[in-house]
Amino acid sequence: AQRVTQPEKLLSVFKGAPVELKCNYSYSGSPELFWYVQYSRQRLQLLLRHISRESIKGFTADLNKGETSFHLKKPFAQEEDSAMYYCALTPSGTYKYIFGTGTRLKVLA
Amino acid sequence: KAGVTQTPRYLIKTRGQQVTLSCSPISGHRSVSWYQQTPGQGLQFLFEYFSETQRNKGNFPGRFSGRQFSNSRSEMNVSTLELGDSALYLCASSLVQGEKLFFGSGTQLSVL
Repeated sequence: AQRVTQPEKLLSVFKGAPVELKCNYSYSGSPELFWYVQYSRQRLQLLLRHISRESIKGFTADLNKGETSFHLKKPFAQEEDSAMYYCALTPSGTYKYIFGTGTRLKVLA
Repeated sequence: KAGVTQTPRYLIKTRGQQVTLSCSPISGHRSVSWYQQTPGQGLQFLFEYFSETQRNKGNFPGRFSGRQFSNSRSEMNVSTLELGDSALYLCASSLVQGEKLFFGSGTQLSVL
């Protein structure tokens, strides 16, 4: 079955510390993977997608097909990074998106 | 460019009633998908429409249905409401499948 797993419901880090939000997926084909973010009182929005291989707001994510992972990383967390983060998978040609249950990131001053 | 618009923002219904939620996608976007968001389950895919055709459906009972109109606006309907249907219902649009999703603010449904 196609599935996205985010093992941490809550991740708390201090400002300036590195951050890694974990995402593992279950899909036998070539996945399209995304990270979406929801800041307080804002809409869910795209943070980055693996195909772009870009860094947004200092975040990067590398697709590891061997480990079926797409972890989100940032070397130095900022307080404004506090938000809910969702990893998502869209299996090619299925016209659906599978989201993980989300990880709440809290960056402490 | 206006974003994805969902109406109404809040709804309170009682068990057994039915409800219709509306979503207007970003102009030019023909793909509209719906999600149920709850604190414990995260976002769960309900269905996706493109050019008035449902292309995929999530694992929800038949009480959940939807449709898309020729102008790409979409509605979802939930019949015979249950307490467990209380959730935030999100609509998202995209140009084509696989592209980034643009989300609406959602409709918060409370079933009493």
